Amino acid sequence: AAGVIQSPRHLIKEKRETATLKCYPIPRHDTVYWYQQGPGQDPQFLISFYEKMQSDKGSIPDRFSAQQFSDYHSELNMSSLELGDSALYFCASSLGRQGSSYEQYFGPGTRLTVT
Amino acid sequence: EDQVTQSPEALRLQEGESSSLNCSYTVSGLRGLFWYRQDPGKGPEFLFTLYSAGEEKEKERLKATLTKKESFLHITAPKPEDSATYLCAVQAEETSGSRLTFGEGTQLTVNP
Repeated sequence: AAGVIQSPRHLIKEKRETATLKCYPIPRHDTVYWYQQGPGQDPQFLISFYEKMQSDKGSIPDRFSAQQFSDYHSELNMSSLELGDSALYFCASSLGRQGSSYEQYFGPGTRLTVT
Repeated sequence: EDQVTQSPEALRLQEGESSSLNCSYTVSGLRGLFWYRQDPGKGPEFLFTLYSAGEEKEKERLKATLTKKESFLHITAPKPEDSATYLCAVQAEETSGSRLTFGEGTQLTVNP
């Protein structure tokens, strides 16, 4: 079965640089979520989109922005990178109306290292 | 604020030694409780969703149960390939979206 696709899988950037992470949800899934997982920590919710509109916002820094496109893929844009941004970034997708309890399926993640 | 607490933080079992993982949660209104399995450096893998107290779900050697305050993940006769971090997450009714709030996980090691 098709899964969530994330690219790139690994990314190394220097401080103050920018990065763009991409997420391709499972076909027919209309909701995309972004999570950040630091070393030894649990995933923390950043932001979500339903039908190309932002549906929820969590602890996402102002330096980060995201959007969902007409083909439902999503991009997380990160600017002025800091050492503390080094983490695994996961995208998840689900099928269902906003606020539903449909299961979220996670992608393999993008490992971002900021040096 | 939604809170999820998992215990123990780490658990070592011998192959075939059954045990349970605990997930205690505080949420104003529970829409759903989720269990995931995560291998190092990989994305969480969905296991179960539980919606109401008294509900139980099973998959191979795993069984998840739910009460009004906690959930248990029972592992029967585990095998080394069950070694992973098991994450519990809740979805609250009051959120506008469907964000998950995770616990810190239980790192399970099953020795042959």
